[in-house]
Amino acid sequence: GAVVSQHPSWVICKSGTSVKIECRSLDFQATTMFWYRQFPKQSLMLMATSNEGSKATYEQGVEKDKFLINHASLTLSTLTVTSAHPEDSSFYICSAKRPYGSHAGELFFGEGSRLTVL
Amino acid sequence: AQKVTQAQTEISVVEKEDVTLDCVYETRDTTYYLFWYKQPPSGELVFLIRRNSFDEQNEISGRYSWNFQKSTSSFNFTITASQVVDSAVYFCALRGGTDKLIFGTGTRLQVFP
Repeated sequence: GAVVSQHPSWVICKSGTSVKIECRSLDFQATTMFWYRQFPKQSLMLMATSNEGSKATYEQGVEKDKFLINHASLTLSTLTVTSAHPEDSSFYICSAKRPYGSHAGELFFGEGSRLTVL
Repeated sequence: AQKVTQAQTEISVVEKEDVTLDCVYETRDTTYYLFWYKQPPSGELVFLIRRNSFDEQNEISGRYSWNFQKSTSSFNFTITASQVVDSAVYFCALRGGTDKLIFGTGTRLQVFP
């Protein structure tokens, strides 16, 4: 079964509203999670690295105030798209790094969240 | 800088044909990992393989095989006797000294009956 879960799997919202996407590691504590964005028929682009208990590290060109990342616990990271606009419509995927055990260091991906902004 | 190039944007084959997806990478790291993922229309990423930079042995898993050649910085993926269920987008990815996973642009494979 899935070891990383995202919620919601899809969301439609009006322009100007904020949307929160959750990423949970289900059977391990993840000090590090990653958020990716994928436009239709394009590759996955890393947006930011989410670190538990500290500020996220954003990739060049990603607006920190637009995409708020909170990693408040070892099993949960959230991505909030603030004041969403149609150009923010995309597929957002998170991954969590397993810190220990038989798959230590492996990255596990969530199922993805499809955001449509009207 | 790290980079992954998948030159083939789309490939179409007929069932039972063999198909090879190319992947070329660039990195200055001496230790790195290479991956292949499958992304079906539903969107979730399906992990296929991980290979570290010190292991150049080719690998076979059922109808899937991978050819890793450091001399040409390539990590190609072959599907033997393709099936309609193999239709998906396939991503090659690279992880170097940091934990960041860099994806190639993907190859869309369509297998027709």
